[in-house]
Amino acid sequence: NAGVIQTPRHKVTGKGQEATLWCEPISGHSAVFWYRQTIVQGLEFLTYFRNQAPIDDSGMPKERFSAQMPNQSHSTLKIQSTQPQDSAVYLCASSLVDSGNTLYFGEGSRLIVV
Amino acid sequence: QQKVQQSPESLTVSEGAMASLNCTFSDRSSDNFRWYRQHSGKGLEVLVSIFSDGEKEEGSFTAHLNRASLHVFLHIREPQPSDSALYLCAGGTSSGQKLVFGQGTILKVYL
Repeated sequence: NAGVIQTPRHKVTGKGQEATLWCEPISGHSAVFWYRQTIVQGLEFLTYFRNQAPIDDSGMPKERFSAQMPNQSHSTLKIQSTQPQDSAVYLCASSLVDSGNTLYFGEGSRLIVV
Repeated sequence: QQKVQQSPESLTVSEGAMASLNCTFSDRSSDNFRWYRQHSGKGLEVLVSIFSDGEKEEGSFTAHLNRASLHVFLHIREPQPSDSALYLCAGGTSSGQKLVFGQGTILKVYL
């Protein structure tokens, strides 16, 4: 079991450019989550999918951020027109739907916007 | 939106001494709780999950839940330097799957 795989591990992008982050959940897990981690805010929930359908995107900034899950084996988080305040570690997690909320996390994608 | 407060912010203990971490929730909306650990530059590793009042032990980690006081504790028995990491508590609800996390406690274990 390879665990949750996130790519890229590190990304440096210029202000105003687009950044796309990828997540491959654990095989058989039907729920996928995105969180953002910063020193100041800690871990913030962004969005989650169940069986590829978006369920809760209450944590997503309304502008510039979007997430998709085109198939059961990967999800993407896209940030358009990146700003320095978007710099963070973006963590993806997956779980079984009936796991009682045990989320298994990837190692994260560190995004730096300069 | 539930708030989760962890204390202390950082804790330094010697190898083999008990380490105790505290987590306080702002309301009773969560009905299941977890402790995670994060080593620098790594993802989160689940340590112990607890769903009812009392204690739950997983290896050297023991979680203690007291719903009435909205507290969840983590005790680490005989910690080693390899246990030095950021410890995060999280609460979830049975009606949804997302977790709400505290800010974390940085644990340092020295020889």
